[in-house]
This record gives sequence, structure tokens and C-alpha cells, in this order.
Amino acid sequence: GEDVEQSLFLSVREGDSSVINCTYTDSSSTYLYWYKQEPGAGLQLLTYIFSNMDMKQDQRLTVLLNKKDKHLSLRIADTQTGDSAIYFCAESNEVGKLIFGAGTRLAVHP
Amino acid sequence: EPEVTQTPSHQVTQMGQEVILRCVPISNHLYFYWYRQILGQKVEFLVSFYNNEISEKSEIFDDQFSVERPDGSNFTLKIRSTKLEDSAMYFCASRETGSTDTQYFGPGTRLTVL
Repeated sequence: GEDVEQSLFLSVREGDSSVINCTYTDSSSTYLYWYKQEPGAGLQLLTYIFSNMDMKQDQRLTVLLNKKDKHLSLRIADTQTGDSAIYFCAESNEVGKLIFGAGTRLAVHP
Repeated sequence: EPEVTQTPSHQVTQMGQEVILRCVPISNHLYFYWYRQILGQKVEFLVSFYNNEISEKSEIFDDQFSVERPDGSNFTLKIRSTKLEDSAMYFCASRETGSTDTQYFGPGTRLTVL
């Protein structure tokens, strides 16, 4: 069945790069997404990648997709304290249903 | 920038009571969704809705749940007889057909069942 896996925690120093990894199972997924959730808040769409791409860059964010290995990563350059949040990887099916991973809690320390 | 809105932000109810969670999707969007997130757990799909009917629903979405688009702007989730385990954050989302398939989420309604 459909499943998305993520590591649960990541701790980085301010100014370093963060890399959050995700694996998914549904090879028919059209789009793959990264959402950010700050404490007590909703889900903010950060970026997405179409399944026929292998990289997408958007300012400090770089998404890498390895479709063969069904592996998705999000790199945040120059990580700031404001980047501390939970990051969810998600894949979508043909009707747009999103399957989320459990979320990676990113902690940024000075 | 257009956004999805949800009301109320927090709903407290007694077990067995009916609740209606309300959402106003982005105005030109045609696909609507409900998700829930039990505290500390992953976000789970409940139901998708298009053209005034359910297009897909999960195992969680049993007979106690229903959705409706009563007036062309609101999208509601009704839970007929709430259980303790329905306590969660409920997120509404919408997307525009023909777009990049991106879903935009509302801020959520926190439902607490006592």
C-alpha cells in the first residue's frame, strides 16, 4: 500500500545546511511535496516537485528526487532558527489524496 | 493572497454530541479535502470531494462522518456522534483543477471530545 517514511528528528547548528530525507512507495505519484508545520499552526506548503524532475531549487530550498530509489530529500541552506518546525513529506495519487510521512522535527540551535 | 479558512479554531464537545466543522476553500478551487492529525501523529487523509460527491474516502471516514457543500462556498465535515478518539486537529484543503495539483491547507480546527 501507500506509505511514506521519514526520520523523526534532525538537529542542526544555525547557518549550517539541513537535509531531511523521505522515502515513498507509490511509484505512480505525480507530485511530491514538502509541508512545514510550526507549533500549533496548520500546514504550509513549502515546495513540490513533479515526478519527472530530479531537482528543484527555490531560494534556500533544494528538492532532490531519486525516482528509482523512491527517495526524496529537502535541503535547507543557511538554516535559521525560524526554520525550526516539523517538515512533512507527502505524495499524491490521481485524485489528489495526500499521503503524509510522520514528519521530521527540525531543531536549530545557535 | 487567497487562503483556506476554517471555523471554529477550537471546538470542545461532549462524547456522543454532533459537531460540524466548517471550511471556506479558495474560491476558484474545485477539489476539497479533509484530513485529521491526532496529537503527535501523522496527518491522515479522511475524504476528497469533487463535483458535489465524494471521490475517495479512507477507512477512518465511516458512517459517523459526512461532508457537504451546502452553498457553493462552504465545505463542512459533520461527525454525528463524537467519540473520545475523534479528538484531533482537522484540516481542510482545496486545490484548483488544472493547476500543479497543489493543495492549500486551512489553519485547522482543534476538536476536543470530553
